[in-house]
Amino acid sequence: QKEVEQDPGPLSVPEGAIVSLNCTYSNSAFQYFMWYRQYSRKGPELLMYTYSSGNKEDGRFTAQVDKSSKYISLFIRDSQPSDSATYLCAMKGSARQLTFGSGTQLTVLP
Amino acid sequence: KAGVTQTPRYLIKTRGQQVTLSCSPISGHRSVSWYQQTPGQGLQFLFEYFSETQRNKGNFPGRFSGRQFSNSRSEMNVSTLELGDSALYLCASSPALLGQETQYFGPGTRLLVL
Repeated sequence: QKEVEQDPGPLSVPEGAIVSLNCTYSNSAFQYFMWYRQYSRKGPELLMYTYSSGNKEDGRFTAQVDKSSKYISLFIRDSQPSDSATYLCAMKGSARQLTFGSGTQLTVLP
Repeated sequence: KAGVTQTPRYLIKTRGQQVTLSCSPISGHRSVSWYQQTPGQGLQFLFEYFSETQRNKGNFPGRFSGRQFSNSRSEMNVSTLELGDSALYLCASSPALLGQETQYFGPGTRLLVL
């Protein structure tokens, strides 16, 4: 079983929809949680970073962490075609490296 | 601030050859990590360097090695290339300060082994 599970999709939504992306994890040592966006043939771009349970909002993006359930989510409001990308969850504990989910491919249709 | 830069961006090699990839971190960042990204395995951690010392290593064979220079720039080397080494190699830099655990990625070097 992988330490981080993420639904690979693909996920296709109409413009303006609310998108929900999710990851579950098994390692209780994970303390820091991140969401990255990766456009085709580009490096991952950091979207959100949080280290506590609860919600964190940044513009149209909301990151949610539930450590008791080992579950994290990223919500995108008013989705735009420019949001079409692969979204990767990542997390780390005391070790230096990030452990990534497999990524969810999102397409927002105009 | 300039972002993480990686050179070259694209590379084609043949089996058995070796390759060296370069990464320049964000100014002031002392930690550099390397990841391999493939469609089948996703993003996998290779190793991390901090102050010219390897602090952490992933589960890759010894053919994969790296180093960091005093200016924090890093190189990774892959010897005796295999077809399965074809991948996007990503470098990420981090301030590596308590409470600043985020890593910022470069555009990657796409390696094709024929």
